Amino acid sequence: DAGVTQSPTHLIKTRGQQVTLRCSPKSGHDTVSWYQQALGQGPQFIFQYYEEEERQRGNFPDRFSGHQFPNYSSELNVNALLLGDSALYLCASSLIWDPLRETQYFGPGTRLLVL
Amino acid sequence: ELKVEQNPLFLSMQEGKNYTIYCNYSTTSDRLYWYRQDPGKSLESLFVLLSNGAVKQEGRLMASLDTKARLSTLHITAAVHDLSATYFCAVEIIKAAGNKLTFGGGTRVLVKP
Repeated sequence: DAGVTQSPTHLIKTRGQQVTLRCSPKSGHDTVSWYQQALGQGPQFIFQYYEEEERQRGNFPDRFSGHQFPNYSSELNVNALLLGDSALYLCASSLIWDPLRETQYFGPGTRLLVL
Repeated sequence: ELKVEQNPLFLSMQEGKNYTIYCNYSTTSDRLYWYRQDPGKSLESLFVLLSNGAVKQEGRLMASLDTKARLSTLHITAAVHDLSATYFCAVEIIKAAGNKLTFGGGTRVLVKP
């Protein structure tokens, strides 16, 4: 049973560029959440997708956008990259209709460095 | 706005001794999680606590939840070097729109021989 997978594992970009990160949820899960973890800090919630729609959003600017595909996989897009966007980006998957029994499972993360 | 605070931020432990990490949160929540993170790695789920008085134990780690005090503790018994890592608590609030985790700032644990 495949867990949550993310690609790429590492990425280096320059300021002003755009980046796309990808996530495939754990088998059987239908909800994907994205978190940003800056160095030395706890993860911060970016947004959550279910049924191909953004359901909740954290305090992140519109430069951060996402998408969920019919197979439940998801993309996180960040436009006009800033140095401060350098972080570990974590994807978590869960099952929306049984929230009291399922935990959120985290993927290995994508480490983004903006120069 | 939900706030989650952990203390201490850093804990230097001696092998064989007992220690406690505290996690306070500001509003009623549905679930509380404890995660472990090794340097450069993702989050490893340790415990999920659902109700007041819940206690879970795995090896040298024991987590408890007091929803009335909005406090969870992670107790480490007879620390060993392998427990060196950063530990995060996270509070989950489940709404019709979905569920999200709010994390504490983490406690960096270093176990010295």
